[in-house]
Amino acid sequence: EAGVAQSPRYKIIEKRQSVAFWCNPISGHATLYWYQQILGQGPKLLIQFQNNGVVDDSQLPKDRFSAERLKGVDSTLKIQPAKLEDSAVYLCASSSERSGETQYFGPGTRLLVL
Amino acid sequence: EDQVTQSPEALRLQEGESSSLNCSYTVSGLRGLFWYRQDPGKGPEFLFTLYSAGEEKEKERLKATLTKKESFLHITAPKPEDSATYLCAVQANSGYSTLTFGKGTMLLVSP
Repeated sequence: EAGVAQSPRYKIIEKRQSVAFWCNPISGHATLYWYQQILGQGPKLLIQFQNNGVVDDSQLPKDRFSAERLKGVDSTLKIQPAKLEDSAVYLCASSSERSGETQYFGPGTRLLVL
Repeated sequence: EDQVTQSPEALRLQEGESSSLNCSYTVSGLRGLFWYRQDPGKGPEFLFTLYSAGEEKEKERLKATLTKKESFLHITAPKPEDSATYLCAVQANSGYSTLTFGKGTMLLVSP
């Protein structure tokens, strides 16, 4: 079974630029999550989708971050404009009722904002 | 607010030297406690889920245990390939399947 795919793996941008990340979850997983992991910290949830609907975006900085999940499969996370403090690893995870809602993570996208 | 505290922050062991990692938590009704392993430059890899106090799970040299306030990850006779950051997370009964993570314990096993 293929795991969670993410791209790009690395991205370097200057502050005030925009950036987008892509995630393809495990096939059949209805729930998709985006996490932000700052160096030395544990992952922090940004947004959770159930199929193509948002169920929790309480920690998403909505003035600059946006996310969508088209057709309940792939998802994109966008930052516009980026700030220095957005430098982090952005992790995508997915889960299903069949997996007991255990979350399986992708390799992450490492973002550096200069 | 759900909270997870992991200790120690970092641990260095000699190969074969057994030890334990601690995860203390506060949560408004525990649905599950999760352990993940994270290697440098990679995403977290699922290890165990524990659901109730007294539960134990094992995988190779790792054994996870759970009480009402904390969980331990016991590492028996570790090998250098066990070197990684170990993350603990809790999932509450209320709300959605959100995980609250600790900061992790960075384990280094020297040959």
